[in-house]
Amino acid sequence: QKEVEQNSGPLSVPEGAIASLNCTYSDRGSQSFFWYRQYSGKSPELIMSIYSNGDKEDGRFTAQLNKASQYVSLLIRDSQPSDSATYLCAVNRRGGYQKVTFGTGTKLQVIP
Amino acid sequence: DVKVTQSSRYLVKRTGEKVFLECVQDMDHENMFWYRQDPGLGLRLIYFSYDVKMKEKGDIPEGYSVSREKKERFSLILESASTNQTSMYLCASSGSSYNSPLHFGNGTRLTVT
Repeated sequence: QKEVEQNSGPLSVPEGAIASLNCTYSDRGSQSFFWYRQYSGKSPELIMSIYSNGDKEDGRFTAQLNKASQYVSLLIRDSQPSDSATYLCAVNRRGGYQKVTFGTGTKLQVIP
Repeated sequence: DVKVTQSSRYLVKRTGEKVFLECVQDMDHENMFWYRQDPGLGLRLIYFSYDVKMKEKGDIPEGYSVSREKKERFSLILESASTNQTSMYLCASSGSSYNSPLHFGNGTRLTVT
């Protein structure tokens, strides 16, 4: 079982729709969770971080965390063509030094 | 704004060469990381450092070494480059808290021929 799993996609949504990106993780003791966006040929950039169960909203983005189900998701409302990118889920394991593990990413395509 | 600078954007080396990839951060971050990114495999951690002269192996350290002589600088060394080390290499830094996100450099696309 991979430590952090994401559907590779591509996930295609029409412009203006809600895009839902999902991620599961295997280490029940994981403490912090991050979503990064990566445009083709560019490096990842942080979109959202979440540490507690529930929802966290920032503009058009909402991160959701359910530690009991070991599940974290990212919702993008009013999707725009500029949101087309690969979205990486990252998880920081409990204990010891910071050691972040990434999923392989979900490619999102927003169709105008 | 955090700035993480990687010395080269593109690099072409020959098999057997010793290769140095340099990374500098300007935010006084304790942690620095080297990842490689390959299609279908995602980001994989090679090494990380939590303090000057301190280092920990990541998930794929074989064939690589690192050096951190100053807090702001973290170098990745390919002792004898091989074609299977052709990849995108990403350096990142973060604060010491487990809540601290990673900040990435622009990446170095290394081709070993």
